[in-house]
Amino acid sequence: QVQLQESGPGLVKPSETLSLTCTVSGYSISSGYYWGWIRQPPGKGLEWIGSIFHSGTTYYYPSLKSRVTMSVDTSKNQFSLKLNSVTAADTAVYYCARQWGSGDYDPWGQGILVTVSS
Amino acid sequence: EVVLTQSPATLSLSPGERATLSCGASQSVSTNYLAWYQQKPGLAPRLLISDSSKRATGVPDRFSGSGSGTHFTLTISRLEPEDFAVYFCQQYGNSPITFGQGTRLEI
Repeated sequence: QVQLQESGPGLVKPSETLSLTCTVSGYSISSGYYWGWIRQPPGKGLEWIGSIFHSGTTYYYPSLKSRVTMSVDTSKNQFSLKLNSVTAADTAVYYCARQWGSGDYDPWGQGILVTVSS
Repeated sequence: EVVLTQSPATLSLSPGERATLSCGASQSVSTNYLAWYQQKPGLAPRLLISDSSKRATGVPDRFSGSGSGTHFTLTISRLEPEDFAVYFCQQYGNSPITFGQGTRLEI
């Protein structure tokens, strides 16, 4: 079955760039579907960050658009997230997930906590 | 963007009872593209319902979704102990994708 796994630093300094990678197993990204990133600040709700197709087509949440870049590496079956100029407000668990239909997500990775602190 | 408001914030029920969770949208959700997720502590959300009423693979039939336009409902017919969790609604009919703030279902 399809499985996703996030990886990257768990601690990022303010004003620096948060970089995460999602490795997909059990399915070739090149075969289709959009792939997305969603985050959840500790104790709070979910926030959609954006999604990417294997061709590189991207959609970003408007309020994050100026700071977000997503990319895909089909040779490694991975897709990535970069969020620059981070602040404490970007501290969250970051999830990657497959966009199953028109925007619902299934399955999800286990999530990775990223803390922004000096 | 579409703002989703979930009610109640917390729902206290007992196993065997019926749970009704609501999700209201600030504007009509196109094509009724509304999903429900279940999240347990320390775990990722799990898709339960998509397109307002379609159960995801492996989801027990005690979970059902309904609604259209600006009002949607998740019903759990008879609560099992493992159903006590936080539930989120999500709309993907209007850009950008947005989530509700969640309903905590507690024993």
